[in-house]
This record gives sequence, C-alpha cells and structure tokens, in this order.
Amino acid sequence: KNQVEQSPQSLIILEGKNCTLQCNYTVSPFSNLRWYKQDTGRGPVSLTIMTFSENTKSNGRYTATLDADTKQSSLHITASQLSDSASYICVVNYGQNFVFGPGTRLSVLP
Amino acid sequence: KAGVTQTPRYLIKTRGQQVTLSCSPISGHRSVSWYQQTPGQGLQFLFEYFSETQRNKGNFPGRFSGRQFSNSRSEMNVSTLELGDSALYLCASSSFPGQGIYEQYFGPGTRLTVT
Repeated sequence: KNQVEQSPQSLIILEGKNCTLQCNYTVSPFSNLRWYKQDTGRGPVSLTIMTFSENTKSNGRYTATLDADTKQSSLHITASQLSDSASYICVVNYGQNFVFGPGTRLSVLP
Repeated sequence: KAGVTQTPRYLIKTRGQQVTLSCSPISGHRSVSWYQQTPGQGLQFLFEYFSETQRNKGNFPGRFSGRQFSNSRSEMNVSTLELGDSALYLCASSSFPGQGIYEQYFGPGTRLTVT
C-alpha cells in the first residue's frame, strides 16, 4: 500500500534552535518527493521538490534530504524563527498521483 | 502574477444541502486539482482536471463532482451534504498535470462547515 509517514507528530522548539523532521514512504513507482509548509488556515506552500537523483536540496534555512534506497527524507530547519510555526507536509508523487503524509506540527516559542 | 483564488472562503450548510465551490487558477495554468483536508485524515486527493477533462479521481463517493471550464476555472460540487464533509477544501493549480516535477500552487481554501 502506498503510504507516507511522518515523525514526530508535533514538535516544540525555542526560537533560534535547529530541528529535523522525518518522512518515510512506501510509494512505488517513485517520481518525486515534496515538502510543503502550511500555516494555520492557509493553503500549503512548496518548500522543495526532489527527484530520484537528488539527495539534498536547500531553500533558504530549509534543507531537505532524500535517500531513495531507504525511502526516507528529512527536512532540516536551521536557526528557527517564530514564523516557522506551521505544519510541514511530506508528499510523494508517483505516476499521476500524490500521497500525502499526515504532517508534523512545529511550534517555535520565543 | 495573482495566485490561486477560491470562493467562498467560508461556508456553513446544513445536512442534505448541496454546495458549489469555485477555484480560479494562476493565469496560464491549465491543471487544477482539488483536495479535502480534515484533522483526522489530513490531505486527501479528490480529482484533477486538465484542459476541461478529468484526468484523475480520488476515492470519494459520487456525491463529490467537479468540472473545469475553457478558461481553466474549476468548480467542485458536493451534493447531499453529510456532517463528515466538514473540511477545508483546497484547490491547487499547475502548468501541467500531476506527473513530473511541475510545481503545484495552492489556494487559501474554502472552509466548509456542515451542521
């Protein structure tokens, strides 16, 4: 069954600290993996898209990694800011379909 | 360039009624996808339209339907509303359909509450 799991379910960190969110998937055939940030009450915004051949991609303070062999991805946030408080959703694209993870709820406290 | 717009932003309906939600994609985008988001199920794919044709459909009952017009604007309709249909309905547009690495841009969503 095509599935995307994310951990942790929620995370609380202090402003300025780093954190890493995890995504494991059992999706085949794999096309690409996306990380989205979703602020409360708003639509998701794309952070990165990674294909099979890419194992690291950065977007400012966000760095995503992909290990296609183990079917794992991580999103590392550096020097967190209050505005990073949001849900982070991992999405795997296969063929013409998307499988969404349940998301990780990140809270950054001052 | 204007983003994806969805109307209305908020809607309250009663069980048994029907509802129509509207989505205007980014200018030049021909693919529109619809998603349902609930706290318990997360984001779930409803359907995707490209050039007025439904290309893909998720696992939702026939009460959920959609269409796309020649200007790429899309509507989705839910008939005989149930309490479980309460959700945030998101529309996303892209240049081309789901395959490949084409970026999907999401709208702000329509919050539907069924009472």
